[in-house]
Amino acid sequence: DAKTTQPPSMDCAEGRAANLPCNHSTISGNEYVYWYRQIHSQGPQYIIHGLKNNETNEMASLIITEDRKSSTLILPHATLRDTAVYYCIVRVAFSSTLTFGKGTMLLVSP
Amino acid sequence: EAGVAQSPRYKIIEKRQSVAFWCNPISGHATLYWYQQILGQGPKLLIQFQNNGVVDDSQLPKDRFSAERLKGVDSTLKIQPAKLEDSAVYLCASSLGGTGGAYEKLFFGSGTQLSVL
Repeated sequence: DAKTTQPPSMDCAEGRAANLPCNHSTISGNEYVYWYRQIHSQGPQYIIHGLKNNETNEMASLIITEDRKSSTLILPHATLRDTAVYYCIVRVAFSSTLTFGKGTMLLVSP
Repeated sequence: EAGVAQSPRYKIIEKRQSVAFWCNPISGHATLYWYQQILGQGPKLLIQFQNNGVVDDSQLPKDRFSAERLKGVDSTLKIQPAKLEDSAVYLCASSLGGTGGAYEKLFFGSGTQLSVL
């Protein structure tokens, strides 16, 4: 699976949009981009995934660049409960293995 | 819907002792995973079961770690003997089919925090 690069930490003010970047410049055509997050003392939680089109669900939006070499996870109105480590993972379709990196620690402050 | 259940929540042992963790996946989920998460790092896959068969155990330290999934439901992970470097959170996850399709989501339990002294 392709490697991903994420900033180790980011800050965001409560109520503002949180934009978390991820670089995956070696991504292949059959690899999807997944985002999970891990709140303190809990297991990781699925957020969203996409192949090449932008995706939106009740939790977040995923913007993938046209060349698919990078993506951005957007939390439109961050709350204190969104403070967590966010993992960007590239995974081959039909492969159920998730390989986690160190992720981005997002701190949402009042 | 009940989530993935794990026990115990915390465990403290001395090195060279043995320890076991238990996991009950979401009902109907065929695939079960055990991950190890060392402080400050992302989770690392130890072993993956499809029903009661092992799909991937390439990163399981087989000289001291063992896992089983009897009857394709509950699973136990054992460490014997434990080393200091085994201190970590042990996470269990499950997924519906394990075919790895694009919509295959993993659901994680809250983990067992192991401290080896």
